[in-house]
Parts: sequence; structure tokens; C-alpha cells
Amino acid sequence: GAVVSQHPSWVICKSGTSVKIECRSLDFQATTMFWYRQFPKQSLMLMATSNEGSKATYEQGVEKDKFLINHASLTLSTLTVTSAHPEDSSFYICSASDRRGAHQETQYFGPGTRLLVL
Amino acid sequence: LAKTTQPISMDSYEGQEVNITCSHNNIATNDYITWYQQFPSQGPRFIIQGYKTKVTNEVASLFIPADRKSSTLSLPRVSLSDTAVYYCLVGMNTGFQKLVFGTGTRLLVSP
Repeated sequence: GAVVSQHPSWVICKSGTSVKIECRSLDFQATTMFWYRQFPKQSLMLMATSNEGSKATYEQGVEKDKFLINHASLTLSTLTVTSAHPEDSSFYICSASDRRGAHQETQYFGPGTRLLVL
Repeated sequence: LAKTTQPISMDSYEGQEVNITCSHNNIATNDYITWYQQFPSQGPRFIIQGYKTKVTNEVASLFIPADRKSSTLSLPRVSLSDTAVYYCLVGMNTGFQKLVFGTGTRLLVSP
């Protein structure tokens, strides 16, 4: 299957700093990428849809000024957590769609990034 | 977006066949059914995807009845390493696919 990578795999930062997480599709082009957040023992929650060359679409309740998304190329999307606070500590996961023909679309997920804000 | 319902947890033993059923009563005509596996602190891993009847790959089978209101993921001869959370999702097959994750099924495989 298609490979999606994330960097860094984990990050610890001080409260008030900004953290950038990269998501790359390694062997395919992705016009659309998605960002999820997962708290311990919970399911994944969709945060936003990242579209190449246009503004991201955020889910209800997700602050767009807090979670900046940039999708500058067909293989890279970045999520920047601005002025991070301890409650932003979570597991952030991206995914990208690999279009195979016109009838089937599968999302492949990155390995995730563990963020701990002190 | 079709809502899915799965059992919260299941227990099994090594070597047994495990069947996890997912209900999706409001599935739309263009929706595909996709199953993912997630280990702790890892991203979900694609297992199998189907539209109707039966799909089989090297790791699992997916059974979908004619009305498509449910689906069953079948894992043959599970091992300890199959202990994970399994998610069933439905979504459109064209355009971007916005996936909404349900609670998933936590499978525990014991020796």
C-alpha cells in the first residue's frame, strides 16, 4: 500500500511555543490530506481537511488560528500548533488519499506524532 | 456520512477465527466500506475495503450482505499480534473521502 510519513514522531515543548508537524506521501501524490487528533483510549477525531493549493477546511470546534495547516505541494502538508498549551498534548495523525482509478479511493495513515506540552 | 456501530470489545484465543461485525444502516449508494487496524501509538493501518459481496486479501476477508447495512471483518487464525483496535468506516468512493471514526472494536487475543 501507499506510504505516508510524519515528522517528528514525538516532540516535547514548553507551553507557549509553536510546533510544526510534517506529513508526506512518499510514493504517491495527494491532493487531499487529513489531520486527526487522538486522546488516550479514544477514537480518532478529524480536525481538518488539507487541500493542495487552497485553504484547509476545519471541523466544527477546531480553531483554525490555533492549528495552522499548509498544503504547499502534492506530497507535503504541515500542521502547526501555535502557542501550544498542555491541553494540546495529544497524538496527531495525518492521512492521505491514494486515488486508484476513478472508482475507488483509500486513505492511508501516517505513523502519528506524539506531542507533549509542558 | 454513514454512522457505524461496532462492539466495543472482543476476546479470542490464538488460532481462532475472529469475526467483527459493523452496522451501517444509513450507508449511501456510493459508499465503500473500509476496515483499519490500529496498534497503540501508531496510525491506523489499512486492512481491507469492499463495496458488496465478499472481498479477500492476504490478511482478512470482508463479507457484505446484499442490503449493505452491515459488514463483517473476518480474521482467520488470529495470533497475539492481532491484538489491536479495529475500525469500520464508510465513505464515498469519489472525490475526497472524509472519514468519521467510530469507537472501534478492541480485540484482545490471548494465548
